[in-house]
Amino acid sequence: AQTVTQSQPEMSVQEAETVTLSCTYDTSESDYYLFWYKQPPSRQMILVIRQEAYKQQNATENRFSVNFQKAAKSFSLKISDSQLGDAAMYFCAYRSAWLQNTPLVFGKGTRLSVIA
Amino acid sequence: NAGVTQTPKFQVLKTGQSMTLQCAQDMNHEYMSWYRQDPGMGLRLIHYSVGAGITDQGEVPNGYNVSRSTTEDFPLRLLSAAPSQTSVYFCASRPGRMNTEAFFGQGTRLTVV
Repeated sequence: AQTVTQSQPEMSVQEAETVTLSCTYDTSESDYYLFWYKQPPSRQMILVIRQEAYKQQNATENRFSVNFQKAAKSFSLKISDSQLGDAAMYFCAYRSAWLQNTPLVFGKGTRLSVIA
Repeated sequence: NAGVTQTPKFQVLKTGQSMTLQCAQDMNHEYMSWYRQDPGMGLRLIHYSVGAGITDQGEVPNGYNVSRSTTEDFPLRLLSAAPSQTSVYFCASRPGRMNTEAFFGQGTRLTVV
C-alpha cells in the first residue's frame, strides 16, 4: 500500500519570505498523481497544486511551486512571498494512475503559521 | 453550482445513538468517498463508491455503513456511535477520469459523548 509522509508537523514563516514543506511517499508504481491541499481554519479543503508523475517539469501555480524528485520519491511545496492568508494546514496526497477508481492517500499534514 | 454539500455541519451524539451524515454533489461525479480527519492523523478513508450501486471499504470502515442509490448522494451511517468516532468527516467527489482533482464538502464536526 502507498504511504505519504510529511515529516514537519508545524512550520512557520515570516510574511513575504519563502517556505518549503516536505513530503515523501512510498510506492512501487511508476505512474501516479501527487497533490497539495490547503485547509484553512474554515475547514475547507482547497487544491493548491497537482503534479503528474510522468511529467518531468515541476508544476507551478502563481506563488506555489513544487520540487518533484521522482527517484527520491519526494514532492516538496515551496511558497514564495508568503502571505497571512497562507496560514493553514497543508496536506500532501497521492493517487495511483494504474487503477481509475483509487482513492487519495493523505499525509498527516503540516500546520503553517505566517508571522507578520 | 453548489458542488459537494454535507449536512449537518455540527452534531453531538450520545454513545449508542445512530445517525446519518448526508453528502450530495451536483456535478455528476462518478466517484465519491468519505474521510475522517483526526488531529495528527491526516485524512483517512472510510468508504468510497465508484458509481451508483457500487461501494467499497477504505482504511477505517468499522462502525460505518454506506450506500449509493443515486449518482448524487452518498450518505454515511453511524450504526452505534462511540466516542472513538468523534472526528471531522469529509465527503469528496470527482469525475471518473484519472487526472482530476477531488472536490470536498465543508466537513461535519461530530462529537460523541
